[in-house]
Amino acid sequence: GAVVSQHPSWVICKSGTSVKIECRSLDFQATTMFWYRQFPKQSLMLMATSNEGSKATYEQGVEKDKFLINHASLTLSTLTVTSAHPEDSSFYICSPAGVRRGGETQYFGPGTRLLVL
Amino acid sequence: AQTVTQSQPEMSVQEAETVTLSCTYDTSESDYYLFWYKQPPSRQMILVIRQEAYKQQNATENRFSVNFQKAAKSFSLKISDSQLGDAAMYFCAYRRGVTGNQFYFGTGTSLTVIP
Repeated sequence: GAVVSQHPSWVICKSGTSVKIECRSLDFQATTMFWYRQFPKQSLMLMATSNEGSKATYEQGVEKDKFLINHASLTLSTLTVTSAHPEDSSFYICSPAGVRRGGETQYFGPGTRLLVL
Repeated sequence: AQTVTQSQPEMSVQEAETVTLSCTYDTSESDYYLFWYKQPPSRQMILVIRQEAYKQQNATENRFSVNFQKAAKSFSLKISDSQLGDAAMYFCAYRRGVTGNQFYFGTGTSLTVIP
């Protein structure tokens, strides 16, 4: 069964609004969370990395004040796109990494499609 | 920085035939992992196969196998007996060390399976 969930899977919003995306690791403790962004017909690009209880580290070119990441617990991380604009329309994928029975592990969430009108 | 290169943007294969997808990478690390992920239209990333750099033996998972050439920094994926369900985007990925490090992805190869 799925070990990572993302919610919502699809969101359409108006320009200027904020959107929160949740990522849950269902049966393991995610000590590290990666957030990736994928534009159409392109590869996955890392946006930021966060460790539970710590501030996120953002990749060059990713605005930390625009993409707010919270990783307050070992099973939940959120990405908030603030004041979204059409150029933020993309596919956002979380990737929790941590410890599961059997050893260390790293998975990808099913992704969230964001369309900003 | 690590780079992963997939030089084939698109590939096609006849159903039941074999196809090989190419991948090269660049790193100065000695401890790393290489992956092939499949991304179907649903866009869920699905792990196809994984190779630890310290292992000389090529990884195999049913119809999927890799040709890992460490000195050449090459990591190709062979799909045997191709099925319609294999049609997808395939990404080669590199990760330094064990869990907890980021993935570096190639640009992907779109695989079409012809009935």
